[in-house]
Amino acid sequence: DQQVKQNSPSLSVQEGRISILNCDYTNSMFDYFLWYKKYPAEGPTFLISISSIKDKNEDGRFTVFLNKSAKHLSLHIVPSQPGDSAVYFCAASAHGNEKLTFGTGTRLTIIP
Amino acid sequence: DTAVSQTPKYLVTQMGNDKSIKCEQNLGHDTMYWYKQDSKKFLKIMFSYNNKELIINETVPNRFSPKSPDKAHLNLHINSLELGDSAVYFCASSQGRLAWDEQFFGPGTRLTVL
Repeated sequence: DQQVKQNSPSLSVQEGRISILNCDYTNSMFDYFLWYKKYPAEGPTFLISISSIKDKNEDGRFTVFLNKSAKHLSLHIVPSQPGDSAVYFCAASAHGNEKLTFGTGTRLTIIP
Repeated sequence: DTAVSQTPKYLVTQMGNDKSIKCEQNLGHDTMYWYKQDSKKFLKIMFSYNNKELIINETVPNRFSPKSPDKAHLNLHINSLELGDSAVYFCASSQGRLAWDEQFFGPGTRLTVL
């Protein structure tokens, strides 16, 4: 039962353009969402998060948007840089819960 | 100075063997985790310990046994290895025990069962 879905396994974007990574979830109890970034041969590292009381959170070039009614969130990277090439995982949790549920990841490739 | 380290990085072994993966964190965190990333790239929680107490125990075969000798270490022992155990295993740690506490991951251990 895949409660967090990233339907695009891969995405290629030109350097300097906007990268948009999407994530859908099915569990209406989820109220906290995180994005992790993973380089080859390394573990995931935390990138940005958003609580369900907000619909947008920004950190430098990274912005996460949350649409609760659609059970959808997206990560925008502007402008995209070669160092952004990595696998991006979306993750979600329910309030007060100790467990994170991850999506399968989207491999982002930034083309110079 | 690695924050979360795992040994070994690669492990190749025969079916039926018993093996252990070690994890150490030097961040002073109270909570540690084991995740499994299978061939379909799902990253799934297996176990979590908070101050040496087991707090998450997902539906994992009892051939898998975590051991936390102290809050800086969480080891994973696997008995009677099967082909389906082949995966990348990630250790992680966080200060708090809730899912929104930022988790710091180790580099992973790639286990191949032949």
